[in-house]
Amino acid sequence: SQTIHQWPATLVQPVGSPLSLECTVEGTSNPNLYWYRQAAGRGLQLLFYSVGIGQISSEVPQNLSASRPQDRQFILSSKKLLLSDSGFYLCAWRGKTDTQYFGPGTRLTVL
Amino acid sequence: AQSVSQHNHHVILSEAASLELGCNYSYGGTVNLFWYVQYPGQHLQLLLKYFSGDPLVKGIKGFEAEFIKSKFSFNLRKPSVQWSDTAEYFCAVKTLTTDSWGKLQFGAGTQVVVTP
Repeated sequence: SQTIHQWPATLVQPVGSPLSLECTVEGTSNPNLYWYRQAAGRGLQLLFYSVGIGQISSEVPQNLSASRPQDRQFILSSKKLLLSDSGFYLCAWRGKTDTQYFGPGTRLTVL
Repeated sequence: AQSVSQHNHHVILSEAASLELGCNYSYGGTVNLFWYVQYPGQHLQLLLKYFSGDPLVKGIKGFEAEFIKSKFSFNLRKPSVQWSDTAEYFCAVKTLTTDSWGKLQFGAGTQVVVTP
């Protein structure tokens, strides 16, 4: 069966510091992968999606970036965090019937 | 641009009460519709989905939703809630365009609290 992992689970970072969040999927190959940010009262905002290694599409202009160095690995990064980057970050993969399956998420607090 | 609206941000109700959460979307073409649920401390998980066919779909834990195309709505219902239904509920829409790449657009979510 497929599983999706995210780490770290929680992170507290100062403004201006770099960021790297990792997402890995097991049990499937060449999945579509997605990064979302969940902010209170605002639902889930799609940040990036990827249909394959090295293929990244950005949905929202911001100081975040994403990379997919391996088939089942999806990384969210920033060179300099802003206060507004605080939130709950979710990674998801797309199953056969268009259903998306979500990871446990990373709670990021920028101080 | 497409949007998904959930009418209630917070709902508080007693056990055994009936629940209905509204969801409307703005897109004139064919859509796939989803309801996801996030229980406290757990992953976001699929509750039910509609792709085609019978507009009344049944999901896990006694939930159902009805797709009304003319109203662009996909409301979620449960006849009798339990304390364990306390969670945040998200409506999501996937538009069937050639370049959608499976992207989902989510509503803002509804926090449901069921009191004993």
